Amino acid sequence: AQRVTQPEKLLSVFKGAPVELKCNYSYSGSPELFWYVQYSRQRLQLLLRHISRESIKGFTADLNKGETSFHLKKPFAQEEDSAMYYCALSAGSARQLTFGSGTQLTVLP
Amino acid sequence: NAGVMQNPRHLVRRRGQEARLRCSPMKGHSHVYWYRQLPEEGLKFMVYLQKENIIDESGMPKERFSAEFPKEGPSILRIQQVVRGDSAAYFCASSPVGTSGDEQFFGPGTRLTVL
Repeated sequence: AQRVTQPEKLLSVFKGAPVELKCNYSYSGSPELFWYVQYSRQRLQLLLRHISRESIKGFTADLNKGETSFHLKKPFAQEEDSAMYYCALSAGSARQLTFGSGTQLTVLP
Repeated sequence: NAGVMQNPRHLVRRRGQEARLRCSPMKGHSHVYWYRQLPEEGLKFMVYLQKENIIDESGMPKERFSAEFPKEGPSILRIQQVVRGDSAAYFCASSPVGTSGDEQFFGPGTRLTVL
């Protein structure tokens, strides 16, 4: 069975500092990896997915199959990045997502 | 496009009552997923439906829980004889016809409180 681990429940950084939200997964095949974000009083929404290899709002994430990781990074954090971030995995032909427990990011002024 | 709609947003039930949660997917989406989020935990998959079909219910508890997505109308998640442990946020998501890499669009959730 697949599993997603986000080791940090809470993460605080100062504005302008680099930020990295960790995500590790376990799955024997080739997964699809996603980062979803939930801003205060808003619904969960897709931030980025590894197959797109895109940068959204300055965030990037690289799939490292050797380390089974999909860490989310941004070189200069902004206050509006404060939110709950969830790493998620879709495995094989299954379309449902397996979520990590989330990391609450707070960017301090 | 109003996005995925869920109602009610908040639902309070006493132990033993029934809870009905509704989800209207985005226009043009024929795939619906239900997830449950317990306090301090991530979202856990419950069931995946297409119109008139349950595709995967591997995450559904074996008893008291059922789901449907009729030809007309919203998808319904039904919990019979609720217990305190059913208190959680229930999220619905939808996606268009596609593959496992499709983006899922989430509703605002229904917060169920069982007294």
